[in-house]
Amino acid sequence: GIQVEQSPPDLILQEGANSTLRCNFSDSVNNLQWFHQNPWGQLINLFYIPSGTKQNGRLSATTVATERYSLLYISSSQTPDSGVYFCAVEPGANNLFFGTGTRLTVIP
Amino acid sequence: DTEVTQTPKHLVMGMTNKKSLKCEQHMGHRAMYWYKQKAKKPPELMFVYSYEKLSINESVPSRFSPECPNSSLLNLHLHALQPEDSALYLCASSQNRGGYGYTFGSGTRLTVV
Repeated sequence: GIQVEQSPPDLILQEGANSTLRCNFSDSVNNLQWFHQNPWGQLINLFYIPSGTKQNGRLSATTVATERYSLLYISSSQTPDSGVYFCAVEPGANNLFFGTGTRLTVIP
Repeated sequence: DTEVTQTPKHLVMGMTNKKSLKCEQHMGHRAMYWYKQKAKKPPELMFVYSYEKLSINESVPSRFSPECPNSSLLNLHLHALQPEDSALYLCASSQNRGGYGYTFGSGTRLTVV
């Protein structure tokens, strides 16, 4: 099956710092999403980005489908940004697979 | 309505109990999913329903029994669970074809005692 690896696995940032999270996947995909999972378990959809670049406030994402990776940029990080960030990919139809996750801790 | 609603939010059950998890969406999505997430792990796909028919069962034990009574509802019936089945159970929905985003519910945190 498809492999989805995220790096780094853990990241600690001072408030206000910037960061880049990476997602590598082993096969072509129809769909790629970035999620933020808050401490209560809610998966919040950040981006639907099978290719190209999108921005939403302090967050932006880029997917290079031909090279099988995606990047999530967080600028001016804040303590509510803490949590686990997952990328998830859909190699076919109706089968979304999650990456290994990056646990982000933002300290004041 | 752009939400997936799951009930209950928390559930504690004994190993001999029978309980059900419920999931509802009104976005017109024709694919619905159950995922299981253990602590500090990514969500893992359990079941996929496409047009109210079970299309994927990821080798899930029979003590988990899914049901899709109509296009808006998805249930997960639980019976004779083990303590290792304690986890966060997430429901999701999407358009019934690849290349569209998934929407997740807030999950049911299940503890088996």
